[in-house]
Amino acid sequence: EDKVVQSPLSLVVHEGDTVTLNCSYEVTNFRSLLWYKQEKKAPTFLFMLTSSGIEKKSGRLSSILDKKELSSILNITATQTGDSAIYLCAGGTSYGKLTFGQGTILTVHP
Amino acid sequence: DGGITQSPKYLFRKEGQNVTLSCEQNLNHDAMYWYRQDPGQGLRLIYYSQIVNDFQKGDIAEGYSVSREKKESFPLTVTSAQKNPTAFYLCASSINSGTSYEQYFGPGTRLTVT
Repeated sequence: EDKVVQSPLSLVVHEGDTVTLNCSYEVTNFRSLLWYKQEKKAPTFLFMLTSSGIEKKSGRLSSILDKKELSSILNITATQTGDSAIYLCAGGTSYGKLTFGQGTILTVHP
Repeated sequence: DGGITQSPKYLFRKEGQNVTLSCEQNLNHDAMYWYRQDPGQGLRLIYYSQIVNDFQKGDIAEGYSVSREKKESFPLTVTSAQKNPTAFYLCASSINSGTSYEQYFGPGTRLTVT
């Protein structure tokens, strides 16, 4: 059975802090690792990673995949209150199925 | 205006009743998915469909049924056999599930069964 585990499960920081969210996966026929942000309802797509060691960056967010360690990290620098959300990672198979982790609840205080 | 719509936003039902959740997309995506989210948990896959008239069970299909008669529509029926139906249900679609493209989500339906 495919499995994705995220850590920490929750995190409380102050504005301006840098955070690192972790994701490890055991997915048969692994193809890609995806990160989503969920604020209130629908998760919104952040990154899809397919190659090991290549960082993807979008503003203050960046992510990298380590296929040897079966893991990925999501970094957020200079956090803002608007970054408060649940961050979900998912392992994707070669036939399109995603297995999600439990999510990390990030709270950023002013 | 392309996107995924789910209706209704909130749904209340009595125990023992079947209920159908709607999911429609106008993104011309081939693949569609249904997930369930419980408090403090991630998303768990119920059913998915890669093409019209074909669908596969996900990790927690028991007590649920789906149909895919049209490319744009993938309704989910929560039957009375589902023991804990109260949850947040999310529908998603992707361009081509064969290459694991990112999935785009609808706004969700919150189902409460009493």
